[in-house]
Amino acid sequence: DAGVIQSPRHEVTEMGQEVTLRCKPISGHDYLFWYRQTMMRGLELLIYFNNNVPIDDSGMPEDRFSAKMPNASFSTLKIQPSEPRDSAVYFCASSSLMGLGNTDTQYFGPGTRLTVL
Amino acid sequence: TQLLEQSPQFLSIQEGENLTVYCNSSSVFSSLQWYRQEPGEGPVLLVTVVTGGEVKKLKRLTFQFGDARKDSSLHITAAQPGDTGLYLCAGASNDYKLSFGAGTTVTVRA
Repeated sequence: DAGVIQSPRHEVTEMGQEVTLRCKPISGHDYLFWYRQTMMRGLELLIYFNNNVPIDDSGMPEDRFSAKMPNASFSTLKIQPSEPRDSAVYFCASSSLMGLGNTDTQYFGPGTRLTVL
Repeated sequence: TQLLEQSPQFLSIQEGENLTVYCNSSSVFSSLQWYRQEPGEGPVLLVTVVTGGEVKKLKRLTFQFGDARKDSSLHITAAQPGDTGLYLCAGASNDYKLSFGAGTTVTVRA
């Protein structure tokens, strides 16, 4: 398996522009997570999906952020309009099963490094 | 504010030395995971501990979950340059979300 695939790997944009990050989870995984990693705040969960349905988006920082999962093999995270403080590495992860009282392995993609000028 | 506090933040040691990384919280977790992240890559799961007092060994790495399921430690014996990386602990709550610590950057010098 190719693992979780993210694109682009690097994105540089100007403040105010729309940014779309893409993720292809591991085939057969029914949970998908979006995280953001910064030096100041570490790794933060933004939103997660189960069977393409958003379950918890309490980590999404503002209305400028939106995420979709139109099918089991594709998800997007969109920022519109982007701001310099959105600069971070954005990770997508997928998992196959969430057992009660337990946590199954989340497989992370390589991340997208976003720089907003 | 991080739910999980990791210490130390940075650790630089010579090859062959031992090291311990700590992960502490005031919250109880249903399980706790340790990840290692290398530059330009995503975190990779090393181990999951579930039971209070549990000890797991992975070659030269020993992981311990506190009796109260609030803290954990990672001990590396005879560290090697290949152990260099960012070590992250993550606690799972009953809603299955992971809360990550800020991480410990470990550098092992040859």
